[in-house]
Amino acid sequence: AQKITQTQPGMFVQEKEAVTLDCTYDTSDQSYGLFWYKQPSSGEMIFLIYQGSYDEQNATEGRYSLNFQKARKSANLVISASQLGDSAMYFCAMISRGGRRALTFGSGTRLQVQP
Amino acid sequence: DAGVIQSPRHEVTEMGQEVTLRCKPISGHDYLFWYRQTMMRGLELLIYFNNNVPIDDSGMPEDRFSAKMPNASFSTLKIQPSEPRDSAVYFCASSGTRSYNSPLHFGNGTRLTVT
Repeated sequence: AQKITQTQPGMFVQEKEAVTLDCTYDTSDQSYGLFWYKQPSSGEMIFLIYQGSYDEQNATEGRYSLNFQKARKSANLVISASQLGDSAMYFCAMISRGGRRALTFGSGTRLQVQP
Repeated sequence: DAGVIQSPRHEVTEMGQEVTLRCKPISGHDYLFWYRQTMMRGLELLIYFNNNVPIDDSGMPEDRFSAKMPNASFSTLKIQPSEPRDSAVYFCASSGTRSYNSPLHFGNGTRLTVT
């Protein structure tokens, strides 16, 4: 079985500052993938970034980067230079090669960017 | 490129009525997923298909729920009879084949309210 834990129900950050959203996971598989999605108030789910368990470097996509610490089973999302439009729910999710093909999601973190 | 298309966006119905949610996946995607999102339970996988065949329906709450995928470009999720506790946002998502690290692409969701 696989499990995703997001321990921060809500976070605040000042505009232009960086913020880290925590995600820990649990799986017995050696091959797995970790994803982050953004859900703004309009409700759609937007894919942000992906990290494979065998990727040697941390993933980056524009202002998003993933702080992947395999031994600690953590995959924290770092958003640099926060913008007002970053205010949203953020979900961490995983899929393991040995498991079912679907993503398992965490409970999410609500980020509010303050001007 | 059209994304995943869901209809309707909103559905309000009375308890006991049949509800049908529709989804058109991204062309060429071999996997289709139905998720349900509620405040209490977060994002839950209901069922997923591969090449139009249901692979895992262990998340379907009970016999009142059924899902079909008659062809590669269309899927339905039916609730009959509907109950107030079925009120939720229902997402359809699709992803490409072969690579387990392909992100899921979500539709905009159907917000279902059962009164």
